[in-house]
Amino acid sequence: NAGVTQTPKFQVLKTGQSMTLQCAQDMNHNSMYWYRQDPGMGLRLIYYSASEGTTDKGEVPNGYNVSRLNKREFSLRLESAAPSQTSVYFCASSRTSGRWAGELFFGEGSRLTVL
Amino acid sequence: AQTVTQSQPEMSVQEAETVTLSCTYDTSESDYYLFWYKQPPSRQMILVIRQEAYKQQNATENRFSVNFQKAAKSFSLKISDSQLGDAAMYFCAYRSWADGLTFGKGTHLIIQP
Repeated sequence: NAGVTQTPKFQVLKTGQSMTLQCAQDMNHNSMYWYRQDPGMGLRLIYYSASEGTTDKGEVPNGYNVSRLNKREFSLRLESAAPSQTSVYFCASSRTSGRWAGELFFGEGSRLTVL
Repeated sequence: AQTVTQSQPEMSVQEAETVTLSCTYDTSESDYYLFWYKQPPSRQMILVIRQEAYKQQNATENRFSVNFQKAAKSFSLKISDSQLGDAAMYFCAYRSWADGLTFGKGTHLIIQP
């Protein structure tokens, strides 16, 4: 029962480096999401994909790009990492899209540190 | 835009006692979902309970129950017979359409043995 799988779990980058966080779900969910979690801020939505082939900005999209590669996979890319992007990143998916969307299922999180 | 407010950054309760975590939200929608998620030190986000706005009956899951007041836009979580394993961050979250959950900033729950 893998659910939502994120890689890598931990990463240290230098300012200006690029990297991609990978996410895959095996629950046949339509919708996928990327969140970041910072101390005292809760989780904030970066980007989401309501269905395969679509992506939309969330609350804090600046500095990030995403790709919905297929129904299972949704990646998050940092083109030029900045210290402000030091955070814990969560990928999530949900059962349906549209009006009666259900709860989100989360991956275990990826801790990213930008020096 | 929807907002979710958790006014208690930290709560403490004695083991076996009852504790209530508060949550209020702001929305102009009439149909939506509300959730409570638990995040233990392992960092995993775990769904505790969910409530559909169209349902008047408050949701219950074993020792966890909610007090949903739609007119007041209030959604509190009651934990009965608190256990050491309940210690965690608790996040209230709101959802209407497919654009993800809006989270509150969380309440850190401490269980005193």
